[in-house]
Amino acid sequence: AQSVTQPDIHITVSEGASLELRCNYSYGATPYLFWYVQSPGQGLQLLLKYFSGDTLVQGIKGFEAEFKRSQSSFNLRKPSVHWSDAAEYFCAVGDGGYNKLIFGAGTRLAVHP
Amino acid sequence: NAGVTQTPKFRVLKTGQSMTLLCAQDMNHEYMYWYRQDPGMGLRLIHYSVGEGTTAKGEVPDGYNVSRLKKQNFLLGLESAAPSQTSVYFCASSYPQGAGTSGLYTGELFFGEGSRLTVL
Repeated sequence: AQSVTQPDIHITVSEGASLELRCNYSYGATPYLFWYVQSPGQGLQLLLKYFSGDTLVQGIKGFEAEFKRSQSSFNLRKPSVHWSDAAEYFCAVGDGGYNKLIFGAGTRLAVHP
Repeated sequence: NAGVTQTPKFRVLKTGQSMTLLCAQDMNHEYMYWYRQDPGMGLRLIHYSVGEGTTAKGEVPDGYNVSRLKKQNFLLGLESAAPSQTSVYFCASSYPQGAGTSGLYTGELFFGEGSRLTVL
């Protein structure tokens, strides 16, 4: 069965520092992969997605992610974090059609000034 | 353009009571979903619908019922609430694959702001 693992429950970084959030997936075929962000009290917003082609994908708010098939990973990165990036981040994999998604448990990001 | 709207946003129930969560979307999306979010577990799919009049079970459907009588609305019902159903519920909608307005498939789900339900 498909699954998504986000190994880090909480991450704290200083403003201006670089960020990498880890995501590992389990899926038999070429996966559809997504990163969503949830600000406190809000719904989820799509940051970026990977379907095929270039393994480095760019998203909104300066985020990027790299698909590595050999490592079954889709890590999210940002070169310089802003205080407004504090939120919870979810990695997800497409689950067999109809745009259904399987989500990881999430990583909560705190940003220190 | 409101997007996806959920009502109510907060509700407290006693064990055994019933209630309905309403989700409304104004984007003419074919697909709609109900997820629940619990700490440390991410979001899990309860039920989904791929068109008016159709519903299907997701990963955690027990204790819930749904209806999609109109394309823009997707209702989630709890017939006899249990404390295990205390959660934050999210509705989402999307276009079918390959059928966006520009012919492009985005695969994006559009989420409401959530409904926090507490069952005592």
